[in-house]
Amino acid sequence: EAGVTQSPTHLIKTRGQQATLRCSPISGHTSVYWYQQALGLGLQFLLWYDEGEERNRGNFPPRFSGRQFPNYSSELNVNALELEDSALYLCASSLFRFEQFFGPGTRLTVL
Amino acid sequence: GESVGLHLPTLSVQEGDNSIINCAYSNSASDYFIWYKQESGKGPQFIIDIRSNMDKRQGQRVTVLLNKTVKHLSLQIAATQPGDSAVYFCAEKLNAGNMLTFGGGTRLMVKP
Repeated sequence: EAGVTQSPTHLIKTRGQQATLRCSPISGHTSVYWYQQALGLGLQFLLWYDEGEERNRGNFPPRFSGRQFPNYSSELNVNALELEDSALYLCASSLFRFEQFFGPGTRLTVL
Repeated sequence: GESVGLHLPTLSVQEGDNSIINCAYSNSASDYFIWYKQESGKGPQFIIDIRSNMDKRQGQRVTVLLNKTVKHLSLQIAATQPGDSAVYFCAEKLNAGNMLTFGGGTRLMVKP
């Protein structure tokens, strides 16, 4: 069974641009979570999607947004990129409200 | 990759010894706890979990202990191997929500 997949692996953008990150959950999982892991910091919760709806968001500005598609895959969009947005963005999926399984992440670098 | 920064607490153990990684969690309302292992360049990997109605749970070579009185969680790894070298995170989930709140991580280094 395939795990959580994310694309791209690496993404380089310049300040002010927009970034789009993609995530495919484990087959059968309906919830997708996004986390930011900046250098020197732990994992910070960004967004939670379940059954196509945004269920919760962390303490991030509105320029961080996303959506979940009917096939449960998800997209994270970051607008007006800032240098401090450089981080590893991790996606996780779960079926029930417990175990979350993570993908390998997308390394976003903002120059 | 360099998933966490330069100021992680580090535990250095000899191969074959037992390791104990500790974590203090923040919210007494948390009802579920997970330990993750993150190797360089990879996403966190689920190791073991425990619900708040338990004090101890065992897996293969790993044991998680939960002390709700002092809000403390520990991960014990038996017969530590070089492949156990990684950063270990504890995470808690509040009963009211679904997102995980992660601790800062501990780097485990296994000396051959």
